[in-house]
Amino acid sequence: DGGITQSPKYLFRKEGQNVTLSCEQNLNHDAMYWYRQDPGQGLRLIYYSQIVNDFQKGDIAEGYSVSREKKESFPLTVTSAQKNPTAFYLCASSTLLGGGYNEQFFGPGTRLTVL
Amino acid sequence: AQSVTQPDIHITVSEGASLELRCNYSYGATPYLFWYVQSPGQGLQLLLKYFSGDTLVQGIKGFEAEFKRSQSSFNLRKPSVHWSDAAEYFCAAVGNTGKLIFGQGTTLQVKP
Repeated sequence: DGGITQSPKYLFRKEGQNVTLSCEQNLNHDAMYWYRQDPGQGLRLIYYSQIVNDFQKGDIAEGYSVSREKKESFPLTVTSAQKNPTAFYLCASSTLLGGGYNEQFFGPGTRLTVL
Repeated sequence: AQSVTQPDIHITVSEGASLELRCNYSYGATPYLFWYVQSPGQGLQLLLKYFSGDTLVQGIKGFEAEFKRSQSSFNLRKPSVHWSDAAEYFCAAVGNTGKLIFGQGTTLQVKP
């Protein structure tokens, strides 16, 4: 089945440690996205990538880093510089076909808790 | 700044009753509009979308939404709610940056 996988589902880390969240897709999508979800705030865009080896900051990129070495993979690192990292993180992907907007498909999410 | 507003944080309806979730957007042109549903601890599933054309759009699971340009609204409706509809619902729009802008979400509780 085609889809987006995120691992792990739950992640616990101590304050001050960097942590990397995995996102893999087998939909052959060019674009991938990372969102952060907090209660009562909806989803906010962290980073996105439209092509391998290239990515752009979203609205809340501070304290996060990404890489896009393969089309299928877009890992997110939450660094110790992120002041409030505890949140639910969602990965998404979409095609870039045509000139208009393309639907984003979402993974199941990773809940990160920093102790 | 462009924004999407869901005025109701939490809504409770009885099973079998009708449902309407409100969504307003601020954007000069007609945006692309979406409704997503999220079960607890899960990702988002697209219910329906509006790009152009007929302002009443049908989605999955018996949901529909109506785009009203004069009110800058895109309200989600369902004639008869089922207990399995209990979830969080997000309205979203594509702004002029090409990125998705999400509302704050509405949590739906269904009473038996």
